[in-house]
Order: sequence, then structure tokens, then C-alpha cells
Amino acid sequence: GAVVSQHPSWVICKSGTSVKIECRSLDFQATTMFWYRQFPKQSLMLMATSNEGSKATYEQGVEKDKFLINHASLTLSTLTVTSAHPEDSSFYICSARGLAGADTQYFGPGTRLTVL
Amino acid sequence: QKEVEQNSGPLSVPEGAIASLNCTYSDRGSQSFFWYRQYSGKSPELIMFIYSNGDKEDGRFTAQLNKASQYVSLLIRDSQPSDSATYLCAVTFTGGGNKLTFGTGTQLKVEL
Repeated sequence: GAVVSQHPSWVICKSGTSVKIECRSLDFQATTMFWYRQFPKQSLMLMATSNEGSKATYEQGVEKDKFLINHASLTLSTLTVTSAHPEDSSFYICSARGLAGADTQYFGPGTRLTVL
Repeated sequence: QKEVEQNSGPLSVPEGAIASLNCTYSDRGSQSFFWYRQYSGKSPELIMFIYSNGDKEDGRFTAQLNKASQYVSLLIRDSQPSDSATYLCAVTFTGGGNKLTFGTGTQLKVEL
């Protein structure tokens, strides 16, 4: 139980293009999903918290117009990196928290984004 | 600034030994504590969580929580080479809205 999927697992794009990453909870309903970014040899940095049906809450320093988050259902959240640049290249990981899961977060497998 | 501190390691232990991983946190009111394992290039995988003072055992893993000392640890018994990974301690802080704050992780190497 508590399986979270992400798609795509990796993506390479040209500078200036937009990339959409999907995060799905497969066997539970996720009231809250979180988006993290991880640079090599660093820990996870929370980008935003996404609640179903409401606007995402972004962490300080994260540009909400650049990283668009949509949480349209209890099983799907999307992160769109708009006008991507090489400095946006990173490992993007989502996690999901279920209705009865207290604070426990289950992580998706991550999406490795490379911007050329 | 609410912080979670871990020794980055690497911590090297021989196969079959007990590995002890430690974590301290700054917010005395923290309620929930998690240990995740992350293999290189992969996302974190939940090992266990603990909410109450004392020990919690799950197979070869034991989490220990001491709220008075603001300290949480993870013991891995009978360490195996497959346990070699980075172990992340995560804490939810009071008023944090269920957000996890992660330590930088401890790299564990189990040697044959």
C-alpha cells in the first residue's frame, strides 16, 4: 500500500521550454502532496505544499509563477516548470500524505530534469 | 530557524554489526519523527516513524526517541551491504502544517 508514482522519470528539454511532471497516489487518496527538489549531494528542499482543490503554498524563495502546481484531484498533482533554464536542472520528487496517514509522507520515485 | 542535525558520515560498519545513526532537532515541541533511506539516485523510502518517547522496533530496525534531549536515533542490527545508503532524519515542527524538515543525511557504508 501507499504507492506514489511520478511521470516522467527523466526528461531532457531545451532552455526556455516548459515541462510538466505528474504525481499520482495509486492506492490511497492524498489530501496533501508535497513537491521537493534535490541537488546532487544535498538534502531535500521543500518547494511547495499542495492541497486538493486549493492553491499551493510555496516555500520562501520559490517562484510560484515559475513552478506551477495543480492539485485537481485526491490522486493527482502536477508541477510545471515554466521557461526552464539550466539552473532548474535537478531531481524533483513528490510525496503524498493520506487521509488517515497522520504526518507520514510517501515519496514518488522522482523525476530527473536536465535543461540544456 | 528550526533545524534537524545529522552527522554526514560516512559511517562505516562491518557486515553483521549494529549501525547507530543519530539525529538532533531544535524544536522541543516537535511531535513526529521519521527515518527515510535513500539510495544514490533514488527517492527516499520510509523506514519507520516514531511519535512517543522510547524505542520502537520493526525487524532489524529500532528507532529511539528522547524528547527531553531532543534526540532521535536509528539502530540497524545485523547490518548488510544492501543497507549501504544515506539515511535521512525528518521532523515535523509545531506550527509547520505537517511539513517535514529533513536533516542532511548520514551516509552508511556496510563493508564485507
